[in-house]
Amino acid sequence: NAGVMQNPRHLVRRRGQEARLRCSPMKGHSHVYWYRQLPEEGLKFMVYLQKENIIDESGMPKERFSAEFPKEGPSILRIQQVVRGDSAAYFCASSPQGQGGYTFGSGTRLTVV
Amino acid sequence: AQSVTQPDIHITVSEGASLELRCNYSYGATPYLFWYVQSPGQGLQLLLKYFSGDTLVQGIKGFEAEFKRSQSSFNLRKPSVHWSDAAEYFCAVALSGGSYIPTFGRGTSLIVHP
Repeated sequence: NAGVMQNPRHLVRRRGQEARLRCSPMKGHSHVYWYRQLPEEGLKFMVYLQKENIIDESGMPKERFSAEFPKEGPSILRIQQVVRGDSAAYFCASSPQGQGGYTFGSGTRLTVV
Repeated sequence: AQSVTQPDIHITVSEGASLELRCNYSYGATPYLFWYVQSPGQGLQLLLKYFSGDTLVQGIKGFEAEFKRSQSSFNLRKPSVHWSDAAEYFCAVALSGGSYIPTFGRGTSLIVHP
C-alpha cells in the first residue's frame, strides 16, 4: 500500500514560469490537503480538497495559485508566474474521511531562480 | 482563531537523557491532536495522535504524549533520547466537529549531543 506520492521531489523554475506539483493520495483516501513550508517556519495550510471539490482554500494566495483534485488522477497545485518568494517545500497530506489519520508525502521542493 | 504554540524553538539534550517537548493550543473544544517528526529534507512522519479516551498516548519510536485538558497541552515525551531522534518536531491540532484541517505549530528543533 503505497503512501502519499508527490512528484517531482525537486523542481527548479525561472521567474515567470509555471510550476505544477502533483500529489497522489493513499489508496482509499479521498481528502487532500496542501501545505507550504518556508525555511525556519512550520507548515502553513493552503487548501483542502475532496474529489472534484475545493472544500477550503482559505490559505491560498489570491493570485497565481490554484489547486484541483479531479475525479481521476492526482491532485495538482499550480503556481503561475512564479516569483522567488514561492521557493519553499510544498507538502501534500491525505486522509480517508477528513477526520484525522493524515498521511504526508515527502514534499516537493520548489526553487525559483 | 485556532492556534498552536510550541514555545521552544530549539532544545538540546544529551543522548540518553529524557525529553519533553511542549505544545499548547487554544480552542474551545477538545481537538484532535498530533505529533509529527521531520528529518532534514524529508516529509512528516506521524509519531502519535489523540482523538479521545486515554489521555496518555503511546506512539512509535518510544514516544508518548499526554493530553491535559486543564492546561490545553499535549506535550511529547521520551524517557531516553537516541542520537537518531535529532529532527524537527511538529505539534498539530485539528478542530473536531469542523473541517478537521490540521493547524501546525512552528516546530521544535531537537539537537542531541553524544
